[in-house]
Parts: sequence; structure tokens; C-alpha cells
Amino acid sequence: SQQGEEDPQALSIQEGENATMNCSYKTSINNLQWYRQNSGRGLVHLILIRSNEREKHSGRLRVTLDTSKKSSSLLITASRAADTASYFCAHSKYGNKLVFGAGTILRVKS
Amino acid sequence: NAGVTQTPKFRVLKTGQSMTLLCAQDMNHEYMYWYRQDPGMGLRLIHYSVGEGTTAKGEVPDGYNVSRLKKQNFLLGLESAAPSQTSVYFCASSYLTGRMGEQYFGPGTRLTVT
Repeated sequence: SQQGEEDPQALSIQEGENATMNCSYKTSINNLQWYRQNSGRGLVHLILIRSNEREKHSGRLRVTLDTSKKSSSLLITASRAADTASYFCAHSKYGNKLVFGAGTILRVKS
Repeated sequence: NAGVTQTPKFRVLKTGQSMTLLCAQDMNHEYMYWYRQDPGMGLRLIHYSVGEGTTAKGEVPDGYNVSRLKKQNFLLGLESAAPSQTSVYFCASSYLTGRMGEQYFGPGTRLTVT
């Protein structure tokens, strides 16, 4: 399987703390994306980082990409209860086909 | 804009029954996709389409068929449902951007096969 791996599988933090999720993949890629899924809902795109980029920011989100280690991380700063969700990384090698990881379940306690 | 919509939201089938899941998007996207999501496994691509009248197999296509007769619609069919097809099914669409593009997801269809 080409599926990526994410860790941790689950993360529980207090509101205001930072949350870091990691993702690894097995093939060369042209981009890596992060998605959020609230319980019982569809996935929502958060951020895309190209293979020639090393870091990208969007609001409270910071994504890094290390193509030599085939890994990426998503940092959510100053977390809020509303950030409680599952987070998935997905990578693309050819065209628009994405390969998703198994996800990290984040719980932010208020 | 409604974005990506899926019909139905829930369905229970008996083994051997057939059904069609409908996906519709109003964003004029070229690409459309069907995924299934099972606990602990993330999303896996079943079939996808790069344009009206074209379809292609994804990672887990067995037991499913698809059709893209109109650009805005992508249908997923189960001819003879099996308990292994119990899952949550998501449709998604994206622009024809060449090398990359974010995908827009529907709310999902929860299917149970007994």
C-alpha cells in the first residue's frame, strides 16, 4: 500500500497548547496536503505544500516538509476547542490523485 | 453554491442488493473522485474521473462501477453489495490544475450491508 502513516494516532491537549502531528510517506511526491474532518462530516482542505517548499504558514497552522526524510508535520498553535477533529495528510505523486494517511484524532479540552 | 452534495446520506442494504450513490458538484470541476473511509485506514480511492465521459480505477475498485455522463455528476454503483462494503463513502472534486489541486469533499454516505 502507498498509504502514508501519521503519528500520533490520537492526541489530547488543553486549550491554548500547541498540537503537532506528523506524517510520513513512501514515494516521491509533487505536493502534500493536510485536511481536517469534524465528526460525521466531510474533509476540509487546510493547506498545501509543494515538494520544493520547506515550510508554509496559514493563520495558526504551520506545515513543514522534509523530502529527504519523506515526512511532514502540522503544527496548530494556541489550540481551541473548535480544533477538535481528525487531521489527515495526503500526498500526490501524479496528477490530482491523493493518497491519504490514517489520520490523527485531536481532542482539545477546554 | 452548494459545493459537493451526496445522495443518500444513509442507507442499509442486504447482501446481494444493488444501489447507486449520487454525487453532484456545482463548481465546474473537471476531476471527481469516490473514496471509502474505514476505521483506522484513512480514505482509499475507489474510482475517479478526469472529465465527462471518462473514468479510471483507483486503489480499491473491485465490486464498484462508476459513470460520469454529465460533468457535474459522478455516480457510484454497487451491483451486488457485500458486508465488506460497509463503509462511509465520500465524493470529492477538484479543478484541472495539472500537477496539483485541493479537493472539495461532500458530507459522505454511510452504508451498512447486512
